[in-house]
Amino acid sequence: DTAVSQTPKYLVTQMGNDKSIKCEQNLGHDTMYWYKQDSKKFLKIMFSYNNKELIINETVPNRFSPKSPDKAHLNLHINSLELGDSAVYFCASSQTEYEQYFGPGTRLTVT
Amino acid sequence: GENVEQHPSTLSVQEGDSAVIKCTYSDSASNYFPWYKQELGKRPQLIIDIRSNVGEKKDQRIAVTLNKTAKHFSLHITETQPEDSAVYFCAASYGNQFYFGTGTSLTVIP
Repeated sequence: DTAVSQTPKYLVTQMGNDKSIKCEQNLGHDTMYWYKQDSKKFLKIMFSYNNKELIINETVPNRFSPKSPDKAHLNLHINSLELGDSAVYFCASSQTEYEQYFGPGTRLTVT
Repeated sequence: GENVEQHPSTLSVQEGDSAVIKCTYSDSASNYFPWYKQELGKRPQLIIDIRSNVGEKKDQRIAVTLNKTAKHFSLHITETQPEDSAVYFCAASYGNQFYFGTGTSLTVIP
């Protein structure tokens, strides 16, 4: 079974639209994350979240918001998409202080 | 917050040679140091990790060393093979906070 899954795998949309990326983990981990990987391959953390605390990277625009309906899901909502939002977005999960497991990634293209 | 620096950004080696990637971190509270390999178009995957109470760890052709005093850790790959070609990321972690290096693109030339 897939440990961390994301949908969709590819997302092409126009500037100004609002979109969501879904993430689910079946590992029972207590913390989930969203990362942005740009064309230079830098992995930049956007959010980390467990049932107690949301930590936001201060450089992330407030157009991005994580939503967690339950411990196994952390979805990413993006409002008013911009060209610069084009990237691969990775969801990940971990049990505190242990290995992070990454999802397969969602390639977002904003035109 | 934590700052992780990784060098070199690109590395080319002949097949069979060794490859070394180095990282430094700034926060002495960091206590877990994983290394991830990312092949083209795929997700990062853990290849080896080390905790702050250990100085060295080895797994077949891969080894990691940690110098807590100097706040640096290194990945060593011996007898490199073409399938080792990928982007490698180091990370430093404390609690549930992970900070990644900027990645090293390794090319193994057959």
